[in-house]
Amino acid sequence: DGGITQSPKYLFRKEGQNVTLSCEQNLNHDAMYWYRQDPGQGLRLIYYSQIVNDFQKGDIAEGYSVSREKKESFPLTVTSAQKNPTAFYLCASRRDPGENTIYFGEGSWLTVV
Amino acid sequence: RKEVEQDPGPFNVPEGATVAFNCTYSNSASQSFFWYRQDCRKEPKLLMSVYSSGNEDGRFTAQLNRASQYISLLIRDSKLSDSATYLCVVTPYSSASKIIFGSGTRLSIRP
Repeated sequence: DGGITQSPKYLFRKEGQNVTLSCEQNLNHDAMYWYRQDPGQGLRLIYYSQIVNDFQKGDIAEGYSVSREKKESFPLTVTSAQKNPTAFYLCASRRDPGENTIYFGEGSWLTVV
Repeated sequence: RKEVEQDPGPFNVPEGATVAFNCTYSNSASQSFFWYRQDCRKEPKLLMSVYSSGNEDGRFTAQLNRASQYISLLIRDSKLSDSATYLCVVTPYSSASKIIFGSGTRLSIRP
């Protein structure tokens, strides 16, 4: 079955460490997105990519980095510069920027200890 | 002003009741509109798209009012399983690559 796979589902990180969240899709989608969600809050856009080797900052990109070397993969690195990284991270994709339906991965829970 | 605004709730209604909530958007050139449902600690899932003429899917009815820039969701004969957070989603013309989410409205159905 086609879909989006995020890993790990739960991750604990010590302060000062970088961590990378994986997002893989086998839907042949061009556009991919990373969102952050805090408890009781909406989704905020971190980065998005419309095509391989290209990505754009979203509303809260500081302290995060991404790469898009392959169409199916859009990993997110949470760097030590991100001051409050504990959150629920969601990866999403759609066939192209004009496509309506958005597909989500199951999310990754990151906790800084 | 936020690009998409929703009443956060929570709405607490008895099973079988009809409940409605709105979402307002600020960009008059917005292109596409959706309602997503998000269960606690899960990813959002598409509930329904919202079309200009209004559309219905079983107990759910969605409407769009472009003049007043809001969309609405009506749930009839609510079930316990309808308890969730409902997210309003808007895609603007100006940047088709962006997807704008409201903060969500929490709905709790009680027996």
